[in-house]
Amino acid sequence: AQSVTQLGSHVSVSEGALVLLRCNYSSSVPPYLFWYVQYPNQGLQLLLKYTSAATLVKGINGFEAEFKKSETSFHLTKPSAHMSDAAEYFCAVSDPGKFYFGSGTKLNVKP
Amino acid sequence: ETGVTQSPTHLIKTRGQQVTLRCSSQSGHNTVSWYQQALGQGPQFIFQYYREEENGRGNFPPRFSGLQFPNYSSELNVNALELDDSALYLCASSPGPVGSGDYGYTFGSGTRLTVV
Repeated sequence: AQSVTQLGSHVSVSEGALVLLRCNYSSSVPPYLFWYVQYPNQGLQLLLKYTSAATLVKGINGFEAEFKKSETSFHLTKPSAHMSDAAEYFCAVSDPGKFYFGSGTKLNVKP
Repeated sequence: ETGVTQSPTHLIKTRGQQVTLRCSSQSGHNTVSWYQQALGQGPQFIFQYYREEENGRGNFPPRFSGLQFPNYSSELNVNALELDDSALYLCASSPGPVGSGDYGYTFGSGTRLTVV
C-alpha cells in the first residue's frame, strides 16, 4: 500500500520568506502525487498534481513542487509567502481504488 | 461546472443512531469518494464508487456504506453510530477512478457530524 509522510506538523515563516513543506512517499511504482490546501472550516482545494510529464510541477497561487524519484520526495515550495497562504496543506498519493493523505502541515505566516 | 455540494453542513446524532450524508458531484464526474477527517488529522479514505459500484475501500467497517446514483449524487450511510465517528466527512468527485490516472479529486466543503 502507498503512504505519504509529511515532516513537520507546523511550519512558521515570515511574510515574503520561502515556503518549504516536505512530503515523502512510499511506492514501488511511479505514483500519482498531489498537494491540497484546506482553509479553516472548508473542504480541500487541489494545488497541483504530478502527472509524470515533468518533474517540476507548477500549481495555483504561485506554489510548485518537484518530484524526486531518487529521494521519493514531492516537496511543496513557494518563493515568497503571503498572509493568505496560512492554511493546512496535505500531500496525497493515489493507488488504484484508494487515495492516501498525509497527516498535514499547518502553515503559519507571520507579518 | 457546479462543483461538489454536500448536505447537511452540520449534524448532531446520538450514539447508536443511523445517519445519511448526501453529496452532489461535479457534472460529468463518474467517480465519487468519501473521506473521514477527525479533528487535527488528515482525511482518511472510506471508499470510492465508480459508475455506481464500489471499487475501492479503506480500513472502515461494514457499517459504513454508500450509494452512487446516475444523476451524479451519492450517499454515505453510517449505522450504529459511535462517539469516534464524530468528524468532518468529505465527498469528492473525479472524472475517473483514482489510481487509474492523474485525476485530482474536487472536494466539497464537508458535513460536520457530531455524535453525542
